[in-house]
Amino acid sequence: KAGVTQTPRYLIKTRGQQVTLSCSPISGHRSVSWYQQTPGQGLQFLFEYFSETQRNKGNFPGRFSGRQFSNSRSEMNVSTLELGDSALYLCASSYRDGYEQYFGPGTRLTVT
Amino acid sequence: QQQVKQSPQSLIVQKGGISIINCAYENTAFDYFPWYQQFPGKGPALLIAIRPDVSEKKEGRFTISFNKSAKQFSLHIMDSQPGDSATYFCALRLNTDKLIFGTGTRLQVFP
Repeated sequence: KAGVTQTPRYLIKTRGQQVTLSCSPISGHRSVSWYQQTPGQGLQFLFEYFSETQRNKGNFPGRFSGRQFSNSRSEMNVSTLELGDSALYLCASSYRDGYEQYFGPGTRLTVT
Repeated sequence: QQQVKQSPQSLIVQKGGISIINCAYENTAFDYFPWYQQFPGKGPALLIAIRPDVSEKKEGRFTISFNKSAKQFSLHIMDSQPGDSATYFCALRLNTDKLIFGTGTRLQVFP
């Protein structure tokens, strides 16, 4: 069974721009969660989607948004990028209830 | 506020030794306690997990010990190998899919 895939793997953007990251979950998994990983703040929960509905949200500004499609694939969007948004963005999928979350390789976003 | 405290921050162990990483939490609403292993440039990989109705779980060289009354749980890596050198994160599940992560422990195993 293929793992969680994320595209692109690396991204360089300029402050003020917006970016869209994509995540394809493991086949059969219906829940997708997004996390931000930075050296200073560690791994922080952004939001979680199940059956196209946002079920949970972390403490991030409204510039961070996401959505899930009917095939469970998910995208997250960051608008008006700031230097502090530079991070590894990780997507994790689970079957339904989040007891086993499997992570993708992440998208490394650099904001200059 | 920090909901989980992980220690130590870094750990150096000789090959064949036992690596022990600890996590302590406060909120008793957590109902699932996984450990993740992360290599540089990779996403975290689920290593082993435990639920609060069990005090210990063993999978190969990896064991989770869980003390519900003390609100602590730990990861033991027996017969540590250089290939185990990675960063380890404890996590706690809260509210469906939300995982709260510890700050990580960088493990180095020397031959």
